[in-house]
Amino acid sequence: NAGVTQTPKFQVLKTGQSMTLQCAQDMNHEYMSWYRQDPGMGLRLIHYSVGAGITDQGEVPNGYNVSRSTTEDFPLRLLSAAPSQTSVYFCASSTSDRDGYTFGSGTRLTVV
Amino acid sequence: KQEVTQIPAALSVPEGENLVLNCSFTDSAIYNLQWFRQDPGKGLTSLLLIQSSQREQTSGRLNASLDKSSGRSTLYIAASQPGDSATYLCAVRPGAKETSGSRLTFGEGTQLTVNP
Repeated sequence: NAGVTQTPKFQVLKTGQSMTLQCAQDMNHEYMSWYRQDPGMGLRLIHYSVGAGITDQGEVPNGYNVSRSTTEDFPLRLLSAAPSQTSVYFCASSTSDRDGYTFGSGTRLTVV
Repeated sequence: KQEVTQIPAALSVPEGENLVLNCSFTDSAIYNLQWFRQDPGKGLTSLLLIQSSQREQTSGRLNASLDKSSGRSTLYIAASQPGDSATYLCAVRPGAKETSGSRLTFGEGTQLTVNP
């Protein structure tokens, strides 16, 4: 199993550009989430999904969109990048409420 | 709203010491608590998962305890080594209604340095 795979690992965007951060898992996990990690603010939930076709907002959803068309994939879209979205983004997945989460290695995004 | 606090924020110890990292949470309605390790510039590696019905979990030199009623967990590291230097994060999985069990609430972490 590859676990949770995030691409790209690094990305530099200009303000106003759009892009998609990819996340894929091969563990047949139902639950998938996106977090951003910022110094002094810890990890904050952006969006999450409890299964294909079901998504919901987390703590900091503004400026981001998600969709879950398959169990394996949970892409995060930045609609119009802003410098405030400079961060490290982590995708995570889990089988159920009782299990632990597995995290990807992260995407380091810089918006200039 | 669930809040998770980790104390201390940073800790520096000599090699070989036994140490304790603390995690507290405000809402005791949780499914489980998970301890992670994060090396600089890397992702999160799961260390231990404690279910709400459990009191402790052990893996090698690591032991995590959970006192759900008081909203506390501790991570005990025995005979610390320089390779243990990293940031340690605790996260709780809410066990309340709706889909809250699908998310984690994190503390800000304890940055551990073990000096040779």
